[in-house]
Amino acid sequence: DTAVSQTPKYLVTQMGNDKSIKCEQNLGHDTMYWYKQDSKKFLKIMFSYNNKELIINETVPNRFSPKSPDKAHLNLHINSLELGDSAVYFCASSPAGGYEQFFGPGTRLTVL
Amino acid sequence: AQTVTQSQPEMSVQEAETVTLSCTYDTSESNYYLFWYKQPPSRQMILVIRQEAYKQQNATENRFSVNFQKAAKSFSLKISDSQLGDTAMYFCAFMKRYSGSARQLTFGSGTQLTVLP
Repeated sequence: DTAVSQTPKYLVTQMGNDKSIKCEQNLGHDTMYWYKQDSKKFLKIMFSYNNKELIINETVPNRFSPKSPDKAHLNLHINSLELGDSAVYFCASSPAGGYEQFFGPGTRLTVL
Repeated sequence: AQTVTQSQPEMSVQEAETVTLSCTYDTSESNYYLFWYKQPPSRQMILVIRQEAYKQQNATENRFSVNFQKAAKSFSLKISDSQLGDTAMYFCAFMKRYSGSARQLTFGSGTQLTVLP
């Protein structure tokens, strides 16, 4: 069984469109994260949710809006996509009080 | 704020040899965790090894071991008996220990390791 899953794995879209990436974890973890990996492979935290509550919100344009319907899901919605949004987006989760983060397979977003 | 520096963008090693990847970090925290993550061409992020800063003993996981020098803020990864499957991007990462639920990872820029047959 997949622990942290993301859909889709690849997303190609035009500039200006709105798109969503879904993340689900079946590990029973309380905390979920979104990371962005840019073209130079640099990974940076975007958001963190704990039990559906936003905990971390790094300097991310407000075109990016995370949504957590329940603690097993953390979706990422992006409005008015720009060329610079092209990246790999990773979802991760960790247990309450735990330090290890389990990553999803990543979603490669390409904005044309 | 914490920073993590990996000064070796690329490295290569012959199969069965030993290689060491360097990582330094800067923090004012005294309690934290350090990690090495591996990202093979499949893109999956895989935890290789972790070190708790309050532990003096260096962590070891099979062929992987670390050299943790807290005073020097250095955290290098040694891979023994390198295998072709070790070819990957390796990321060093930092996490504050007492940060409640906000346990974010701060990553270095990565080292691309290629194991040569």
